Amino acid sequence: NAGVTQTPKFRILKIGQSMTLQCTQDMNHNYMYWYRQDPGMGLKLIYYSVGAGITDKGEVPNGYNVSRSTTEDFPLRLELAAPSQTSVYFCASSPRVEDTQYFGPGTRLTVL
Amino acid sequence: AQSVTQPDIHITVSEGASLELRCNYSYGATPYLFWYVQSPGQGLQLLLKYFSGDTLVQGIKGFEAEFKRSQSSFNLRKPSVHWSDAAEYFCAVVYSGNTGKLIFGQGTTLQVKP
Repeated sequence: NAGVTQTPKFRILKIGQSMTLQCTQDMNHNYMYWYRQDPGMGLKLIYYSVGAGITDKGEVPNGYNVSRSTTEDFPLRLELAAPSQTSVYFCASSPRVEDTQYFGPGTRLTVL
Repeated sequence: AQSVTQPDIHITVSEGASLELRCNYSYGATPYLFWYVQSPGQGLQLLLKYFSGDTLVQGIKGFEAEFKRSQSSFNLRKPSVHWSDAAEYFCAVVYSGNTGKLIFGQGTTLQVKP
């Protein structure tokens, strides 16, 4: 099992550009999450999904969009990149609501 | 609002010394508690979790944590720290009925002196 994989590992964007952060899990988990991590702030939930076709906003959704067309994939879309979106992004998945979340290795994004 | 507090942002201990990292969560529905560790440039790895039952839980790498409902705490301990334990540690909580939303503390950075 690869677990949770994320691509790319690093990316530099210019202000106003768009990109998609990819996340795939091979554990057949229904629940998937996107977090951003900023220094000294812990992790903040951006969006989450409880199954294919179902997504909802987390704590900091502005400037992001998600889709969940399959159980395995949960891409995160940045439409108009802003410097405030410079962060490390983590995807996670979980088999049940109140259970361990398994994290991917992260994507380090810089917006200049 | 539901929250998790890790009062210590940075802790330095000598190798071989004991360690306790503090975590307090805000009162709410049944909490499910976690400790994760993050090495530099890496993702988060689960150390241990508490769902129910025995309030003293054992984790990987010799870590343990004790759930104290009366104090809303879930402190992480290790009797003898190794240099490889230097990392950032996050306490997190999921409340029942909260759609699995993990609420993280701000993290505690552990430095280990030789």
